[in-house]
Amino acid sequence: GQNIDQPTEMTATEGAIVQINCTYQTSGFNGLFWYQQHAGEAPTFLSYNVLDGLEEKGRFSSFLSRSKGYSYLLLKELQMKDSASYLCAVRNSTLTFGKGTMLLVSP
Amino acid sequence: EADIYQTPRYLVIGTGKKITLECSQTMGHDKMYWYQQDPGMELHLIHYSYGVNSTEKGDLSSESTVSRIRTEHFPLTLESARPSHTSQYLCASSPGQGDLKTQYFGPGTRLLVL
Repeated sequence: GQNIDQPTEMTATEGAIVQINCTYQTSGFNGLFWYQQHAGEAPTFLSYNVLDGLEEKGRFSSFLSRSKGYSYLLLKELQMKDSASYLCAVRNSTLTFGKGTMLLVSP
Repeated sequence: EADIYQTPRYLVIGTGKKITLECSQTMGHDKMYWYQQDPGMELHLIHYSYGVNSTEKGDLSSESTVSRIRTEHFPLTLESARPSHTSQYLCASSPGQGDLKTQYFGPGTRLLVL
């Protein structure tokens, strides 16, 4: 089976940096994804890690440690529009999603 | 930009009715998926397909059925809707072998069964 844990909620201020953690226990592993989902909308792809290390993509970076079953999403220079739910998902043959972390960015 | 469409976007229907949620993609993707998501909760995979005439049940048991007669079309049917089916249904697609990177999601259908 698959078990994915991430914090339920986080708050941060505009311009700051925030790190959203995700831990997983899975029977197989073929990559870890981060998605962003605004309220009432569909998820949109942010990042993908299959090897250990850091993947940087503009203001967003994602890190993976397969031996620790751990990933984080790092958001820099936070903007109000970054207020959303951030979903960690692990791929075996299909994608299994965590419950998401609701990030609230305040002025 | 992903081209994946779902209709209807919103549906309110009475108990016992048969409904079909439509999903179409114009990207030629082999793999398609249906997820169910309650407010503030995680996405649960209910059905998926690896290509034409291929359908599989996902992690969450569902009373719905799917078909994949054409590559671009992956409809989901509820034979007899119940209030417990009230949820958001998200369709997604991804390319076949060689690209594991991402699934593209449609805008979703919000279903309310009275």
